[in-house]
Amino acid sequence: DGGITQSPKYLFRKEGQNVTLSCEQNLNHDAMYWYRQDPGQGLRLIYYSQIVNDFQKGDIAEGYSVSREKKESFPLTVTSAQKNPTAFYLCASSMGLSFSNQPQHFGDGTRLSIL
Amino acid sequence: GQNIDQPTEMTATEGAIVQINCTYQTSGFNGLFWYQQHAGEAPTFLSYNVLDGLEEKGRFSSFLSRSKGYSYLLLKELQMKDSASYLCAVRDGGSARQLTFGSGTQLTVLP
Repeated sequence: DGGITQSPKYLFRKEGQNVTLSCEQNLNHDAMYWYRQDPGQGLRLIYYSQIVNDFQKGDIAEGYSVSREKKESFPLTVTSAQKNPTAFYLCASSMGLSFSNQPQHFGDGTRLSIL
Repeated sequence: GQNIDQPTEMTATEGAIVQINCTYQTSGFNGLFWYQQHAGEAPTFLSYNVLDGLEEKGRFSSFLSRSKGYSYLLLKELQMKDSASYLCAVRDGGSARQLTFGSGTQLTVLP
């Protein structure tokens, strides 16, 4: 079955530590996205990538970094510069910009907490 | 920029009909999506509107008025499993065509 796989499901970060969240898709989608969701709030865009080897900052990119070396993979690193990283992180993918009526499909999320 | 407003919470009874409203103010518009999200899970796609009018899909319907910046999601024959958060998301008209999400409406279905 095609889909988006995020790992791990739960992650704990120590002070001063960088952590990387994995996102893999086998839907052959060109575009991939990372969102952050805080309790009782909507999704806020961190980074997105429309094509391999290219990515753009979203609304809340500070303290995060990404890479897009392969079409299937879009890992997110939460750096020590992100002072309030506790949140639910969702990865999504969609067909390219030519398919504007196509929805984004989401992974099951990673819940990140501070130790 | 985009601004999207939805009610924070709604309660309805099993078997009833509920309408969840969404208003938006955007610098461009290229479609509106509704997603359902159960607690701790991924959002799942429900509907898409880009032209004015009603889109029906089983027990779920979604309406759009672009001139009023207004949409609603209509859920009929409510079931307990419909208890979830419902997210309205607008795709902007820029080159990136990003989605901006509302804060979601938490629907509780009572027996």
